[in-house]
Amino acid sequence: SQQGEEDPQALSIQEGENATMNCSYKTSINNLQWYRQNSGRGLVHLILIRSNEREKHSGRLRVTLDTSKKSSSLLITASRAADTASYFCATDGGYNKLIFGAGTRLAVHP
Amino acid sequence: NAGVTQTPKFRVLKTGQSMTLLCAQDMNHEYMYWYRQDPGMGLRLIHYSVGEGTTAKGEVPDGYNVSRLKKQNFLLGLESAAPSQTSVYFCASIPGGSGLAKNIQYFGAGTRLSVL
Repeated sequence: SQQGEEDPQALSIQEGENATMNCSYKTSINNLQWYRQNSGRGLVHLILIRSNEREKHSGRLRVTLDTSKKSSSLLITASRAADTASYFCATDGGYNKLIFGAGTRLAVHP
Repeated sequence: NAGVTQTPKFRVLKTGQSMTLLCAQDMNHEYMYWYRQDPGMGLRLIHYSVGEGTTAKGEVPDGYNVSRLKKQNFLLGLESAAPSQTSVYFCASIPGGSGLAKNIQYFGAGTRLSVL
């Protein structure tokens, strides 16, 4: 059972454009995380937002969280070809477990 | 600066064969996890461990066994491989304890397994 569901499943943009990915989840959370996965590699943690936070920034990344709608978004500004990857949201599944969504595949074209 | 290391990176098995995937972390993390990732799907938790000598079932444990005899190692075993176990397997670990960082997972590079 997947807690987080990302939307869209795939996104294709040009370098310099912004990329927005959304994540919806089903149950209440303590925090929500975003991870990136480059092709053929493991996941890498990007950012964590707590349930009492509405927005968080890290470099070109901006994450928002709306607990009333049970949704989060990840915005990558001024995207680069190196941002091409899959992006996953993950919510706490109790007992220090994470539940991952199916991910958004982002392709950034030069 | 190794982090989480998985061996092997690739493996091809015939149906019915057995194998063990090794995950080793050098960060003194308490918790370790085994996931499988299939096309179009996120990561699904197979088994996890909350400390040396402990293991617990995740979402999709059938057909797999695990052991955590040493804190730094988490082994995933397939006793009789089936084609349905063709997947990419990832190991991850977290520090545990208190604080926000306790739940940030550190992943290995994965093991690509094909069962023919």
